[in-house]
Amino acid sequence: QKEVEQNSGPLSVPEGAIASLNCTYSDRGSQSFFWYRQYSGKSPELIMSIYSNGDKEDGRFTAQLNKASQYVSLLIRDSQPSDSATYLCAVKWRDSSYKLIFGSGTRLLVRP
Amino acid sequence: DGGITQSPKYLFRKEGQNVTLSCEQNLNHDAMYWYRQDPGQGLRLIYYSQIVNDFQKGDIAEGYSVSREKKESFPLTVTSAQKNPTAFYLCASSIGIGELFFGEGSRLTVL
Repeated sequence: QKEVEQNSGPLSVPEGAIASLNCTYSDRGSQSFFWYRQYSGKSPELIMSIYSNGDKEDGRFTAQLNKASQYVSLLIRDSQPSDSATYLCAVKWRDSSYKLIFGSGTRLLVRP
Repeated sequence: DGGITQSPKYLFRKEGQNVTLSCEQNLNHDAMYWYRQDPGQGLRLIYYSQIVNDFQKGDIAEGYSVSREKKESFPLTVTSAQKNPTAFYLCASSIGIGELFFGEGSRLTVL
């Protein structure tokens, strides 16, 4: 069973705080990991990709990957109300060429 | 501007009817995808196509059909065999693995 697990939330943080979103996956051989942001009623948009163990930073966003523990996380520093959205974790399984497996998403609420 | 255009944005279907959702992209991407999203759930893959005239079933292909006659176009038909078609349908394309660009989506409701 191919699984990508996320806490559905909502995760509520005050404005200016760090939001930490977590994702675990079941395929130890997975190599590619992605975070998508989806505003209510809208389509997802890619915000981060990560392929190697460690941290990858892009502006206020940091993706963290630990393949040994099979988890990937997304940190959002200086959270803003505009960051309030659902964050979807997606994993490319080792045995698929183009297919991604999506988690059900974590809803983030940033309080002004 | 390059992008993906889905139409219609909202569609109502009576039981027993087939409906076709349009997806057109001008990003020159080879790969195109159809996903379905139900409330509070992640995206589930219906069909995908890596090149023209070729497509593969995803995880929930039953009751759906697609064609890929042109690189730019990947229409999805929701047939009467799909027992629970009410959902948010998302078309996407990619130039690389995993980095998907999505259209605005089509929301289908069965009356």
